[in-house]
Amino acid sequence: QKEVEQDPGPLSVPEGAIVSLNCTYSNSAFQYFMWYRQYSRKGPELLMYTYSSGNKEDGRFTAQVDKSSKYISLFIRDSQPSDSATYLCAMTYNTDKLIFGTGTRLQVFP
Amino acid sequence: EADIYQTPRYLVIGTGKKITLECSQTMGHDKMYWYQQDPGMELHLIHYSYGVNSTEKGDLSSESTVSRIRTEHFPLTLESARPSHTSQYLCASSGEGVFVLETQYFGPGTRLLVL
Repeated sequence: QKEVEQDPGPLSVPEGAIVSLNCTYSNSAFQYFMWYRQYSRKGPELLMYTYSSGNKEDGRFTAQVDKSSKYISLFIRDSQPSDSATYLCAMTYNTDKLIFGTGTRLQVFP
Repeated sequence: EADIYQTPRYLVIGTGKKITLECSQTMGHDKMYWYQQDPGMELHLIHYSYGVNSTEKGDLSSESTVSRIRTEHFPLTLESARPSHTSQYLCASSGEGVFVLETQYFGPGTRLLVL
């Protein structure tokens, strides 16, 4: 069983929609939870991270962590075509070795 | 913006050739990493380094080797390329974060195709 599970998609939504991306994990020792965005032919870039449980908001993006359910989410409000990318969740318990999900490919059409 | 560079961006090469993938960063980070990424699969750590003369193997077994002679440079070498080495290779580096988390900054990747 993989430590981190993520639906690969693709997820196709119209511009302006609210997007929900999710990951589940099995290791209760994970403390830091991250979301990376990867455009085609580029390396991943860190969008935001959360320590332990709770919510974190940054502009149109909100990250949620539910440690009791071992479930994390990324919400994108008012989605734009420029948000079209692959979104990777990642997590760690020692701040160094990251465990990644497979990524969810998102397409926002005008 | 993170300054981490990888060359070449794309490489097509025949079986048995020796190849070196270059990775350089200008952020003064001590820690550097190599990941392998295949389509639809998660990133797998294949090598990492905590500083000059420090190299360790990652979670995914790899026939490649790395060296760290200078802080800014972390090349990956395949002595004899095989078709099974076809993949995307991503280099990353990290430094001290504000809240302990060491943000990893990724390069653009090298897409390797071994024929």
